[in-house]
Amino acid sequence: QVQLVQSGAEVKKPGASVKVSCKASGYTFTSYGISWVRQAPGQGLEWMGWISAYNGNTNYAQKLQGRVTMTTDTSTSTAYMELRSLRSDDTAVYYCARDLGQLEPGTNDYWGQGTLVTVSS
Amino acid sequence: DIQMTQSPSSLSASVGDRVTITCRASQSISSYLNWYQQKPGKAPKLLIYAASSLQSGVPSRFSGSGSGTDFTLTISSLQPEDFATYYCQQSYSTPQTFGQGTRLEIK
Repeated sequence: QVQLVQSGAEVKKPGASVKVSCKASGYTFTSYGISWVRQAPGQGLEWMGWISAYNGNTNYAQKLQGRVTMTTDTSTSTAYMELRSLRSDDTAVYYCARDLGQLEPGTNDYWGQGTLVTVSS
Repeated sequence: DIQMTQSPSSLSASVGDRVTITCRASQSISSYLNWYQQKPGKAPKLLIYAASSLQSGVPSRFSGSGSGTDFTLTISSLQPEDFATYYCQQSYSTPQTFGQGTRLEIK
């Protein structure tokens, strides 16, 4: 069965970086993409970007350009999302999701359990 | 960016009721519209993709319709496990955007 297992909760200071991992299993990793979506406490869902696990192409939300990097390690079927220069409003639960789009962003059919990132001094 | 507007923002209903949630896009998105269900402390779950296609394993009481700018999610007979927050999402163009959510509560 398809599973996406994310790394554990993180507490970071403003200005620091965080790297969240998302290990996939139960499907051919390179046949899909991975999207990242975040949710601030009590708020809605925000799309952060997408990476093709097939060729590594990325598509980031404009507001995060320059601060976010998404990568994949096909040898371990793991996706990573690094966010730099953290601010208090980056405090959120970060989700990875399998994206049906291999070559461009599409629909997210399976989701990880979420990783809480807290940014606080 | 394409704006997605859901209505209502919250809704109280009873078990067995028929419920409809609406999602409107700020421009045409063809049928690139998905619906997700989210329960507290859990990840979103895909219910409907491409406006009207039922995701595998999702009960048939859920249905979606629409194209262009106006879309609906209908639950034909509410069950206790359906009380949750529902989000629409457009996958027509990036950045993909979500509606603000509709919280479905027990009356």
